Amino acid sequence: DGGITQSPKYLFRKEGQNVTLSCEQNLNHDAMYWYRQDPGQGLRLIYYSQIVNDFQKGDIAEGYSVSREKKESFPLTVTSAQKNPTAFYLCASSITADTDTQYFGPGTRLTVL
Amino acid sequence: GQQLNQSPQSMFIQEGEDVSMNCTSSSIFNTWLWYKQEPGEGPVLLIALYKAGELTSNGRLTAQFGITRKDSFLNISASIPSDVGIYFCAGRKGDDKIIFGKGTRLHILP
Repeated sequence: DGGITQSPKYLFRKEGQNVTLSCEQNLNHDAMYWYRQDPGQGLRLIYYSQIVNDFQKGDIAEGYSVSREKKESFPLTVTSAQKNPTAFYLCASSITADTDTQYFGPGTRLTVL
Repeated sequence: GQQLNQSPQSMFIQEGEDVSMNCTSSSIFNTWLWYKQEPGEGPVLLIALYKAGELTSNGRLTAQFGITRKDSFLNISASIPSDVGIYFCAGRKGDDKIIFGKGTRLHILP
């Protein structure tokens, strides 16, 4: 069954710790994206990757890092430099970066204590 | 970054009523998308629009690509409890990245 998965669903970390959120897709999509969602803010793009071994900053990349070593995986690291990391994080993929339809994962809710 | 203006921010309606929401931009878009997000889940694409004036339906949902290419509308007819959620518009101009509106939260009163 094809799709995009994120794990874990809920994540708790202490302030000052880095944390990595997982995103995997078996849709054979070239492009992958990370969004942050806060109440009343909609979806804000953190990083995106058009193809393996390539990624670009989105609108709110500060305090985050990504890697794209495999086509199916696009992990996001929330570093201690991110001043307000508590949020709902959504990963998405599309066939190519030019394709309009993005398929979203179920999200990871990160709470920093 | 550029934002889409989506309204209303939230809606409280009775079951069975029709719903209308819209999305506007100061720029011209060549693609409009409508997504629905249920609590604790990722958004799911409802309707995609690619041509000015286009009117597309998906069951009880109908969306239109505005003639000016600066707006789009989503209507839901005869609302039911499972319509509850956040509805996002999204748009793309040229080769730019897709940008999302802030969402319309739909509540249905018993």
